[in-house]
Parts: sequence; C-alpha cells; structure tokens
Amino acid sequence: QKEVEQNSGPLSVPEGAIASLNCTYSDRGSQSFFWYRQYSGKSPELIMSIYSNGDKEDGRFTAQLNKASQYVSLLIRDSQPSDSATYLCAVNMRRGGADGLTFGKGTHLIIQP
Amino acid sequence: DTAVSQTPKYLVTQMGNDKSIKCEQNLGHDTMYWYKQDSKKFLKIMFSYNNKELIINETVPNRFSPKSPDKAHLNLHINSLELGDSAVYFCASSQYYRQNTEAFFGQGTRLTVV
Repeated sequence: QKEVEQNSGPLSVPEGAIASLNCTYSDRGSQSFFWYRQYSGKSPELIMSIYSNGDKEDGRFTAQLNKASQYVSLLIRDSQPSDSATYLCAVNMRRGGADGLTFGKGTHLIIQP
Repeated sequence: DTAVSQTPKYLVTQMGNDKSIKCEQNLGHDTMYWYKQDSKKFLKIMFSYNNKELIINETVPNRFSPKSPDKAHLNLHINSLELGDSAVYFCASSQYYRQNTEAFFGQGTRLTVV
C-alpha cells in the first residue's frame, strides 16, 4: 500500500514563530512532492512543489526534501493568523502506467495571535 | 476566469437516485482527475484521464462512471446513490500525467445523500 503519512495535529504555533510541518512517504520511486493548503470548506491550493533533494524557498515558505529518508517538510516563517489551515502533503506515485497524487491526511495548523 | 470549474457546487439527493457532476478546465492541460474527500478530510484519487483516455481507475464501485468528451471536460456520473457516497468531490487538472507536474483543483462539489 503506497502511503503518505502526516501528523494530523492540531499544531499550534504563536504568531511570528516558525511552523514546521512534516511528511513521510512509502514509495521510493516518487519524484515529485507538493504542499497544498486547504481552508475549511475550500479546495486545496498549491503552495509549494519540490523535485530535488534539499531546500526550496518561496517567500515565507521553505520546502525540504530528503529522498533517502523519504521525508518532506514545510517551514512557514513569520507565521500569520491567515496561515491557519490544513496543510496537505502530496506525493506523485505510480499507478499502473500513470502517476497520480497520493495525499496525506493533512496537518491542521493553528496560528495563535 | 476560473481555471478548473465544477458544477454544481452543492448537490442534495435521495438514496437510489442517479446524479452527475461536471468539470471543465481552461488551462490547456492534458490530464484531469476526480478526487473524493470524505468526512475525515482524507483526499483520495478516484480516476484520471489523459487526453480523453482513462489512465487511472482506483478501486471505486462501478456505480461511478467518469466520461471525458474532450480533454477540457471530465464528468462524473453516479448511479444508485448510497449514503456512503456523501463527500466532497474535487476535479483537478495537470499538464501531463507523469512526474513533476502540478495539479490544480476545482472548487469542489459537496454531495449529500439523504
């Protein structure tokens, strides 16, 4: 069974601090990894993609990938109350002859003002 | 101008009915998907089409039948609806069906079976 694991939380972080979200995946052949943000009642919104080992920064967000450890993380610097949402880790996994996103169950992040 | 749009946004129907959800994307992508998000917010892939061809068919009851009239449209028809079908159904699209392509989601269709 190909899986993506996340801590469901809630993860509570004070405003202005760094929020750290983690994800592990089971399929060693996966090559692309994504973080989506989902507000309650809304659709998943892509915030970061990462394909190579190391760090990728975009504004206040940094994605980190370690394929040897099958581990992906997302750091949110200077956390804002508007960052409060569920963060979904998604990994592209092979299903038959095609690839499709497998999602973790999401981490509920709460930024405390 | 919405990139991936679904209709309807809300759907309330009785058990045993047949219903359809429509999806359209204007991103010029080749690949479209249906995902189901259950009450515990777990998002799971159901189907994928690439240029009108079915390429992913997960373990889904055969009451669910996707149809892609062209690569910009992917519809989902559900026969004999059951209580357990209540969920939010998301359509998504990506440029290709291989690795390193990002998927973009529609706003979702909240299906409630009573």
